[in-house]
Amino acid sequence: AAGVIQSPRHLIKEKRETATLKCYPIPRHDTVYWYQQGPGQDPQFLISFYEKMQSDKGSIPDRFSAQQFSDYHSELNMSSLELGDSALYFCASSLGTDTQYFGPGTRLTVL
Amino acid sequence: QKEVEQNSGPLSVPEGAIASLNCTYSDRGSQSFFWYRQYSGKSPELIMSIYSNGDKEDGRFTAQLNKASQYVSLLIRDSQPSDSATYLCAVNRHDYKLSFGAGTTVTVRA
Repeated sequence: AAGVIQSPRHLIKEKRETATLKCYPIPRHDTVYWYQQGPGQDPQFLISFYEKMQSDKGSIPDRFSAQQFSDYHSELNMSSLELGDSALYFCASSLGTDTQYFGPGTRLTVL
Repeated sequence: QKEVEQNSGPLSVPEGAIASLNCTYSDRGSQSFFWYRQYSGKSPELIMSIYSNGDKEDGRFTAQLNKASQYVSLLIRDSQPSDSATYLCAVNRHDYKLSFGAGTTVTVRA
């Protein structure tokens, strides 16, 4: 079965640079979620989109923005990167508010 | 205080034994409950979902939910070394986010 696709899988950036993470949900899923997981921590909810509209917002810094496009893929844009932004970033998708399935994640390292 | 609390572990069990994981949550409006397994550096993988009080069994895994006590648990029977991972309890109020516990790390000794 098709899964959630995330790209890139690994990303290395310098401080103050920008990064764009992409997420392609499971086919027919209309909801995408972004989570951030620091070392030894549980995933923290950042933001979600349902039918291309923002549906909920968590602890997402103002430096980050995201959107969901007409084909339901989503992009997380991160600007003015800080060392503390180094983490695993997971995208998940679902049909409505049903069970969330996670992608493989993007490991972001900020130097 | 976190919305979702788990027994912190780590939990070490011998191969073939039962591993018991516990989770409590604070929001009585919570409606959906999930157990995810996460290997180091990998993404959370859904193990079980449970929505109503009682037990739900799937292979070697049994989830138990008690909404009155705001408690959900996971039993892993006949534990295998491949079960060694961090288990995340997650709770959803049928809105658009999951709240996770801190996770319980399980080690199955061969």
